[in-house]
Amino acid sequence: EPEVTQTPSHQVTQMGQEVILRCVPISNHLYFYWYRQILGQKVEFLVSFYNNEISEKSEIFDDQFSVERPDGSNFTLKIRSTKLEDSAMYFCASSETGMNTEAFFGQGTRLTVV
Amino acid sequence: GEDVEQSLFLSVREGDSSVINCTYTDSSSTYLYWYKQEPGAGLQLLTYIFSNMDMKQDQRLTVLLNKKDKHLSLRIADTQTGDSAIYFCAESFLNAGKSTFGDGTTLTVKP
Repeated sequence: EPEVTQTPSHQVTQMGQEVILRCVPISNHLYFYWYRQILGQKVEFLVSFYNNEISEKSEIFDDQFSVERPDGSNFTLKIRSTKLEDSAMYFCASSETGMNTEAFFGQGTRLTVV
Repeated sequence: GEDVEQSLFLSVREGDSSVINCTYTDSSSTYLYWYKQEPGAGLQLLTYIFSNMDMKQDQRLTVLLNKKDKHLSLRIADTQTGDSAIYFCAESFLNAGKSTFGDGTTLTVKP
């Protein structure tokens, strides 16, 4: 069964460093998303991406965040100059279309900023 | 903005039914979802219901929707220890990829 895969499963980084979280969406999907879940808090929408550009983003997705589809398979989330409060589980998801009953989530990357 | 609320914890005995409740505020919600998250794993979509439906049954899972009260519930029949997980309620308007999630209900199933 096709699935969304994320790497690494756990990333530890020092405050102020840049991190790139990687995702491989399901191959025929066209819409991609990032979510964040701070420990003990809600899963929060960050950004959606379609046709090589951001289609929607939340207030959380400020200038320190960026997304990219560098090739035909990967979808990345870059966090510049990480802060302690960026520590969270980051989930990637993909869907076939933008008006879809189902989005498929990856297993998440746990980011720890020290 | 949209808000989704759930009770945080539920504990049941193996074999009993579990009922997890959720309320939401956005009356324009089109789809309502239940996701399961096991320790260290991602979000697994269990089931979803369109806002024009009252009920959906899928094997041991029954979803009830009261659109007037904006109340959604997930009933798990014959709950097993393998059902122990965090269950998230979520809602979206047309696009499943842009959903608003609840806090999650931690279901503990005791043998």
